[in-house]
Amino acid sequence: EVQLVESGGGLVQPGGSLRLSCAASGFTFASQAMNWVRQAPGKGLEPVSQILSGGATVYADSVRGRYTISRDNSRDTLYLQMNSLRVEDTGVYYCAKGRGGNDKLFDYWGQGTLITVSS
Amino acid sequence: DIQMTQSPSTLSASVGDRVTITCRASQTFGIWVAWYQQKPGKAPKLLIYQASTLENGVPSRFSGSGSGTEFTLTISSLQPGDSATYYCQQYYTYPCTFGQGTNLEI
Repeated sequence: EVQLVESGGGLVQPGGSLRLSCAASGFTFASQAMNWVRQAPGKGLEPVSQILSGGATVYADSVRGRYTISRDNSRDTLYLQMNSLRVEDTGVYYCAKGRGGNDKLFDYWGQGTLITVSS
Repeated sequence: DIQMTQSPSTLSASVGDRVTITCRASQTFGIWVAWYQQKPGKAPKLLIYQASTLENGVPSRFSGSGSGTEFTLTISSLQPGDSATYYCQQYYTYPCTFGQGTNLEI
């Protein structure tokens, strides 16, 4: 059974940093693209970042230069380092698994972790 | 970025009804469209991919169609558990944009 479990969320002041983790199980983590998707309170879904199995990364314009996605295939864990956080970064952050060659099709999602950026 | 415009934003229907949600893309990109269902406090769930392929385990009352720039999700014979927000997504290119969502109330 595929499982994705996020952690690391919480309350942080504007300008602060947080590191999210997503522990994966039930599939060959190293072979799959992984993603972060966020959802502001009461709003829709926004793709944030993707890392391919080979390590290539992409970012949404809104986070490029502030966020860094990475993966540790030895630990089956995905990370998101978030720096220079802004109020508008507040929301639930989901990790999501890409499906095979369609790496931007999200077939499994974690339960999400809430980030609140506020003074 | 490819924009995905979804309509309606809210929809009220009754058990047994048939409803259709539409998603229009700002450009053509084939059939790389997915539909997700999200219930309050939960993660999205993949329903349909490649515009019309039903994900394993999803009831057959859900169906998708479309090509070019217009895509639709149809739910036939609504059940109470279908109350949720539904999102379309293009997964042709990054950012793999989502529609704004349709809140379906039953």
